[in-house]
Amino acid sequence: EVQLVESGGGLVQPGGSLRLSCAASGFTFSSYAMSWVRQAPGKGLEWVSVISGSGGSTYYADSVKGRFTISRDNSRNTLYLQMNSLRAEDTAVYYCAKDRAVTNYGDAFDIWGQGTMVTVSS
Amino acid sequence: QVVLTQSPSASASLGASVKLTCTLSSGHSSYTIAWHQQQPEKGPRYLMKVNSDGSHSKGDGIPDRFSGSSSGAERYLTISSLQSEDEADYYCQTWGIGYRVFGTGTKVTVL
Repeated sequence: EVQLVESGGGLVQPGGSLRLSCAASGFTFSSYAMSWVRQAPGKGLEWVSVISGSGGSTYYADSVKGRFTISRDNSRNTLYLQMNSLRAEDTAVYYCAKDRAVTNYGDAFDIWGQGTMVTVSS
Repeated sequence: QVVLTQSPSASASLGASVKLTCTLSSGHSSYTIAWHQQQPEKGPRYLMKVNSDGSHSKGDGIPDRFSGSSSGAERYLTISSLQSEDEADYYCQTWGIGYRVFGTGTKVTVL
């Protein structure tokens, strides 16, 4: 079964750091670009970051550029999101998502995790 | 940068049909989009991709009641024979090298 399971969420103070993980199974993890997507309470989906299958290319939304770092360990089938200098507006459920096809041009997300909640508050 | 526009809400009676629209911004009318469903308190689920020619490819296990189509810069999701479990938020998504974009979502209410 193809599955993504996020972990690492929690309560953190403004200015603090947190690292999220996403464990993948059921597919050839290293072949697919992977993304992080977040959803603030009561709001819509917001793409955060994407990383290529090899990990050699990374891209970020302007809202997190310079504060968040996406990475992956293909030997462990795990995706990460290192979040630094956290702000109240980063409070959200964070989902990892898999691209549907192996392509250099991006694709739809076909598999989503269940999400992990990050709360930034003093 | 491409922008996707969706109406905030839609409603239809149990057993009826509803058609949702996702409009691509100017200059991006050839883009393929995807539709995702998010039921209350759940994570999103991939429904299908819809191409500019109206062809679509559904995800595994997606019922035949869900179909996609296209006209110009508009991409549609039609849900036929509405069921109570179809009450959810529906998001369109597109992509390119180095970015992924979501529409603002449409909340579907089953009357």
